[in-house]
Amino acid sequence: GQNIDQPTEMTATEGAIVQINCTYQTSGFNGLFWYQQHAGEAPTFLSYNVLDGLEEKGRFSSFLSRSKGYSYLLLKELQMKDSASYLCAVRVYAGKSTFGDGTTLTVKP
Amino acid sequence: DTGVSQNPRHKITKRGQNVTFRCDPISEHNRLYWYRQTLGQGPEFLTYFQNEAQLEKSRLLSDRFSAERPKGSFSTLEIQRTEQGDSAMYLCASSLEAPVPTGGWRETQYFGPGTRLLVL
Repeated sequence: GQNIDQPTEMTATEGAIVQINCTYQTSGFNGLFWYQQHAGEAPTFLSYNVLDGLEEKGRFSSFLSRSKGYSYLLLKELQMKDSASYLCAVRVYAGKSTFGDGTTLTVKP
Repeated sequence: DTGVSQNPRHKITKRGQNVTFRCDPISEHNRLYWYRQTLGQGPEFLTYFQNEAQLEKSRLLSDRFSAERPKGSFSTLEIQRTEQGDSAMYLCASSLEAPVPTGGWRETQYFGPGTRLLVL
């Protein structure tokens, strides 16, 4: 089976930095995605990692360690609009991706 | 708008009725996915098409669910004899696999706005 674990909820302060962790155990691995999903809306793509290391994209960075089955999403200079659910998804093989249940981030003033 | 579109956006139906949803992917994307999402959960894979071929179907999908993608363009998802447990957001996503400069391939799924189904 496929297993992806993320914390259910996190809270952070506007302007701060927050790290959302994701661990996975899957039968295959062809890349890891992070998506942002606001309440009632569809997921939107944030980042993609297929090799170990850090990928930086503006205020958002994503890290992957394939040997540890571990990734994190780092959000800097938090803004109120960053309050959303953040989904970690593993592409198990072509055509099949498995999603975690998401981490609901609340940004407080 | 050249993104993924889904219709209808909302559907309320009575238990036992059939419903059909439509997804129009990004035109150059050859892969199309259907997911189901309930509150507090991540998207759950239902089925996947490459062009017009349905290559995989989740074992969680009962025989009441069927999907088609005629001519490899838009797709429809039909639920027959709906049950209250079918109430969920149904998401469609499309993708195109592209080479990565560092080697290998990358596939990013772009989601449509979803169809929210409520079965009474």
